[in-house]
Amino acid sequence: GQQVMQIPQYQHVQEGEDFTTYCNSSTTLSNIQWYKQRPGGHPVFLIQLVKSGEVKKQKRLTFQFGEAKKNSSLHITATQTTDVGTYFCAGRTSGSRLTFGEGTQLTVNP
Amino acid sequence: DSGVTQTPKHLITATGQRVTLRCSPRSGDLSVYWYQQSLDQGLQFLIQYYNGEERAKGNILERFSAQQFPDLHSELNLSSLELGDSALYFCASSYSGQGLGEQYFGPGTRLTVT
Repeated sequence: GQQVMQIPQYQHVQEGEDFTTYCNSSTTLSNIQWYKQRPGGHPVFLIQLVKSGEVKKQKRLTFQFGEAKKNSSLHITATQTTDVGTYFCAGRTSGSRLTFGEGTQLTVNP
Repeated sequence: DSGVTQTPKHLITATGQRVTLRCSPRSGDLSVYWYQQSLDQGLQFLIQYYNGEERAKGNILERFSAQQFPDLHSELNLSSLELGDSALYFCASSYSGQGLGEQYFGPGTRLTVT
């Protein structure tokens, strides 16, 4: 079945450093979504990417969808303590099911 | 606040028992999804309902079942509980039944099986 792999599993950074998490799918995706889950919280939708090579920005966050639509990345510039949490990618091939990656847990040292 | 409600927030029960988790979707949303999240794990998709009908099935055990009622709320039934069923169970909702657009997650039900 479809697999979505995410690396790294954990990332510790100093406040102000950049952070990137990568997502790879075993199959071509029709779209990919990113979610953030704060400690003790529930996943919250960040963004959806649909087009090959698409790049979207939200303030300090930059999301990319690969040309082959099999990989994606989330880059955070100049991390802040409010960025702490687990970032999940979720890919969809066909149908309505989203397959979530294992997530990257980000900690930020002030 | 996502607008999705889940009850109860916490549930502690013994092995072999049966429990029911409840979810009310966001107003206007027709799809309900159930996910299981074990400690420090990702989100495992269990099942999706769209407007009362089962739309997609994931890694849901035979001991688990779900349904969506005419008022669109959903229940997840877990029976013959095992220690390994201890997890956070999230419900999410969306307007679309096709997996497009964001899913709004509820606060979750933390199930502990002792």
